[in-house]
Order: sequence, then C-alpha cells, then structure tokens
Amino acid sequence: DQQVKQNSPSLSVQEGRISILNCDYTNSMFDYFLWYKKYPAEGPTFLISISSIKDKNEDGRFTVFLNKSAKHLSLHIVPSQPGDSAVYFCAARASGNQFYFGTGTSLTVIP
Amino acid sequence: DSGVTQTPKHLITATGQRVTLRCSPRSGDLSVYWYQQSLDQGLQFLIQYYNGEERAKGNILERFSAQQFPDLHSELNLSSLELGDSALYFCASSVGDGLTEAFFGQGTRLTVV
Repeated sequence: DQQVKQNSPSLSVQEGRISILNCDYTNSMFDYFLWYKKYPAEGPTFLISISSIKDKNEDGRFTVFLNKSAKHLSLHIVPSQPGDSAVYFCAARASGNQFYFGTGTSLTVIP
Repeated sequence: DSGVTQTPKHLITATGQRVTLRCSPRSGDLSVYWYQQSLDQGLQFLIQYYNGEERAKGNILERFSAQQFPDLHSELNLSSLELGDSALYFCASSVGDGLTEAFFGQGTRLTVV
C-alpha cells in the first residue's frame, strides 16, 4: 500500500519557469516531510524538508508547501535551471522513524 | 560524493543464493538505513540501525537481515534469493536518529537470474 504518492511520473518545464512537483499522502500521522533529488547512477540527495507544524519552508530557489487538510505536499523550484533535471522523491516520516517514499517524478528542464 | 560507501556496486547471482551488501556510513554518522528500490517503485524502507542497535523496521522480508557493527558499518544479508529481489539497494546514514539530512550511497544493483 503506497502511503506516499507522486502521481506524475514526469514533468517538463522551460528554463526560467516554475517547476511544481506534487506529492499526496494518506497517513495523517506523518509528522515530517522531505524532498530528495536523484541523478542517474547516484544516490538520492536531501533537498529540503518541512515539519508538520509548518505550512511553508523556503531555501533559495526551492520552496516546499504543506497542506495538511488536503494531505498534500508540493515542491516549487523558481526559476528552474537545466541542472535541476533529475528525479525528485518526496518522503514522509511516521512514528518509529519509518520513512515512506513516493515513486518519484522525473523533472526535465528544457534550455 | 556523499561520503557513504556501498559495495559492491553491481551484483549478479542466481536464485536461491545468498548475498551480503555492505555499507560504510559517513564519518561520525551513527544511523544507517537500508532502502530497496524496485523497478517503477519508490524507495521502500527496510530497516534502520542506530549506534549498533536496530531502531526501526519497515517492509523487510524474513529472508533478509541486517546488522550494524561496532565500527558502525552495516551489512544487509539477502538469502534464498528470488527473481523479485532484483533491485537497487540503497544505504543512507545520518548523524542522529531520524532521517532528516541523511546522505545516501550510490546503491548496489542486485540482479537475480
């Protein structure tokens, strides 16, 4: 049972525009959310996180929004750059330090 | 380079066999996590160790086991291998007891034939 879902397997965006990656979850007990970025042949790299007590966290070009009532998480990248092309995974933490990952969204930023 | 080292990078073995995947965490990290990524699947959490002790368990099969040694490196043992065990196995490490800013290794690609 996939508790964290990324329903868009891929996304293409023009360089300089905004990229919005979405993530939905089912478990209301998740208390911490993370985004990871993964390049081919490399392990995932931590990007940004947000606690369930917040609704927004910003780090440079990356902003994560959390809508707990909708059980929805999104990552905004502004402006998008070709180097942002990668697979993005969202993850959520449940009790007992168990982390659940989505299936990933492959972002392509077109120069 | 994340500082997390996984060996081997690739492994091909036959069904019914047993393999051991190894992970060396970043210097100073006490937590080690193991994840499995099958085709078209997200990262499935298997197990976490913190300073030598099992801390959290996910969807880890009984045929799989892991341990963390006193020098903090970890091994994931997979036995009675089946075709469906073919996947990328990632190890991650973090300083503390929660996957906040964890660093992932490059993974071990296991192919069971």
